[in-house]
Amino acid sequence: AQSVTQLGSHVSVSEGALVLLRCNYSSSVPPYLFWYVQYPNQGLQLLLKYTSAATLVKGINGFEAEFKKSETSFHLTKPSAHMSDAAEYFCAVSDPLYGGSQGNLIFGKGTKLSVKP
Amino acid sequence: NAGVTQTPKFQVLKTGQSMTLQCAQDMNHNSMYWYRQDPGMGLRLIYYSASEGTTDKGEVPNGYNVSRLNKREFSLRLESAAPSQTSVYFCASSEGWGAQETQYFGPGTRLLVL
Repeated sequence: AQSVTQLGSHVSVSEGALVLLRCNYSSSVPPYLFWYVQYPNQGLQLLLKYTSAATLVKGINGFEAEFKKSETSFHLTKPSAHMSDAAEYFCAVSDPLYGGSQGNLIFGKGTKLSVKP
Repeated sequence: NAGVTQTPKFQVLKTGQSMTLQCAQDMNHNSMYWYRQDPGMGLRLIYYSASEGTTDKGEVPNGYNVSRLNKREFSLRLESAAPSQTSVYFCASSEGWGAQETQYFGPGTRLLVL
């Protein structure tokens, strides 16, 4: 079964600093990988997704993630943090065991990002 | 275009009571999903519906039932609520195949079972 591990339940950075949120997955076949963001009291919003077209994926709000098969990683980065980036971030991998074509999403436990002024 | 909507936004139940969480999407998507979110656990799939008229169990289906009323609506029912079902519930929908598919989430329903 596929699984996702997010290192660090809480990450704090200063405004303007690099944001790095770590995600490792386990999968027997190359999966589809996703990063979602959840702002307080809201639903999840897709930041970006990897679907094997390119290893470096650019998303919304200046975020990007790089798929590294050798490291089974899909870390999320942003060069310069903004106060508005404070939210919880979830890495997810598709599991064709459930649901339609991509199937169910298997989520990591989430990383809360705090941005200090 | 409202996307995925959920009602109610917040509900308090007593143990043993029943209730139905409603979800609707206006994007003409075939697939719909119910997840629960618990602190430190991420989201876990309860049930899903790959198309109108079909439903299947996800990772944590016990204590829940679902109905895919039509293509737009997918409801989640708790027949006899338990404190362990205190959670935030998210509905999602998706369309497309392979690289084109993306799940869109509703704003969630916060449920407290006393």
